Amino acid sequence: SQQGEEDPQALSIQEGENATMNCSYKTSINNLQWYRQNSGRGLVHLILIRSNEREKHSGRLRVTLDTSKKSSSLLITASRAADTASYFCVGGFKTIFGAGTRLFVKA
Amino acid sequence: DTGVSQDPRHKITKRGQNVTFRCDPISEHNRLYWYRQTLGQGPEFLTYFQNEAQLEKSRLLSDRFSAERPKGSFSTLEIQRTEQGDSAMYLCASSLGGAGDTQYFGPGTRLTVL
Repeated sequence: SQQGEEDPQALSIQEGENATMNCSYKTSINNLQWYRQNSGRGLVHLILIRSNEREKHSGRLRVTLDTSKKSSSLLITASRAADTASYFCVGGFKTIFGAGTRLFVKA
Repeated sequence: DTGVSQDPRHKITKRGQNVTFRCDPISEHNRLYWYRQTLGQGPEFLTYFQNEAQLEKSRLLSDRFSAERPKGSFSTLEIQRTEQGDSAMYLCASSLGGAGDTQYFGPGTRLTVL
């Protein structure tokens, strides 16, 4: 299965700091996606990075992908309290989610 | 189009009862997915449709679970003889299909089995 496993499981930072979370996956992928889930709300797609890309930016988000290590990282810069959520990575077509990284941004 | 919608948002039922959930995908999306999510865990894939065809079912989808997408538009997920272990959030998502496919999720239906 193409399962993403996020690390760390939980992260607590101050508003304004950067947050980095990592993802590892097991099999070859065509693309990798990051999703966010706020407490009590649905999953929101954040960004997709293709297997032939190494880095991608979207606003305050930066995603890297290292296919040789089967890993990806999501960087959120200048974090805000509203970024408090769980973040999931998903590799490829068969979307198998890990347990996610729970990010808490303190105001 | 306002996105993927699910109905009901909450359902409380007694053990042994049958329940049915509905999902309305984004109109032009060919693919529709069902997931189950329990507290503190990521969504678990249950099944997906390409138009009206159900192409894959997870082993999590026991014979008490059935999903349909009769006209390739909305979908229903039915759970028969509910058990307390079925209590979870049931998420629906849809996508256009093809490479680099992005899934758009609905708000989910929270099921509580007493």
